[in-house]
Amino acid sequence: DAKTTQPNSMESNEEEPVHLPCNHSTISGTDYIHWYRQLPSQGPEYVIHGLTSNVNNRMASLAIAEDRKSSTLILHRATLRDAAVYYCILRDDSGGGADGLTFGKGTHLIIQP
Amino acid sequence: DAMVIQNPRYQVTQFGKPVTLSCSQTLNHNVMYWYQQKSSQAPKLLFHYYDKDFNNEADTPDNFQSRRPNTSFCFLDIRSPGLGDAAMYLCATSRGLLTTNEKLFFGSGTQLSVL
Repeated sequence: DAKTTQPNSMESNEEEPVHLPCNHSTISGTDYIHWYRQLPSQGPEYVIHGLTSNVNNRMASLAIAEDRKSSTLILHRATLRDAAVYYCILRDDSGGGADGLTFGKGTHLIIQP
Repeated sequence: DAMVIQNPRYQVTQFGKPVTLSCSQTLNHNVMYWYQQKSSQAPKLLFHYYDKDFNNEADTPDNFQSRRPNTSFCFLDIRSPGLGDAAMYLCATSRGLLTTNEKLFFGSGTQLSVL
């Protein structure tokens, strides 16, 4: 499976935008980029996913580099409740579909009030 | 309302004493997964059921078993827990196999302690 590289931790201030980077230089053409986050003492939750184009939803935006070797999860206005571990995951969605997600180490996002 | 429910939230067992963790879902999803997450580590997939078909990950120890008696419930059985099995156990579901727009829905987990 193609690997992702994320910073171990990042710190940001409340009500400011946060840009969480993810490098995936060995991404294949059929790999989708998925982001999940895990709040303290909770199971992971889905955030966003994309293939080539930038994506927006109510939680976040996903900016994907033109060569697809990196992407950035953008939280437009971080709150204390966004403090979590953010996982960038590549998933090959071709064929019959993947049978599970493989999590990397993720980025521990700290939000300062 | 919780859609993937795990009970209990905390479970304490003794070294070598069998323990069962439970998971139920109200989503009517076909696939149910069990993940193990040790402290400060990423979740690790143990196995999953697609309907009644059981799929074990290659490196999941034989000590870990699972049962899925019906669509809504799935159990994780640890036959002889060791100290190294202390972890958060996460149950997740998906409607089907993970094609493009499918996502995983996780429960809040059961924190297992082994004394």
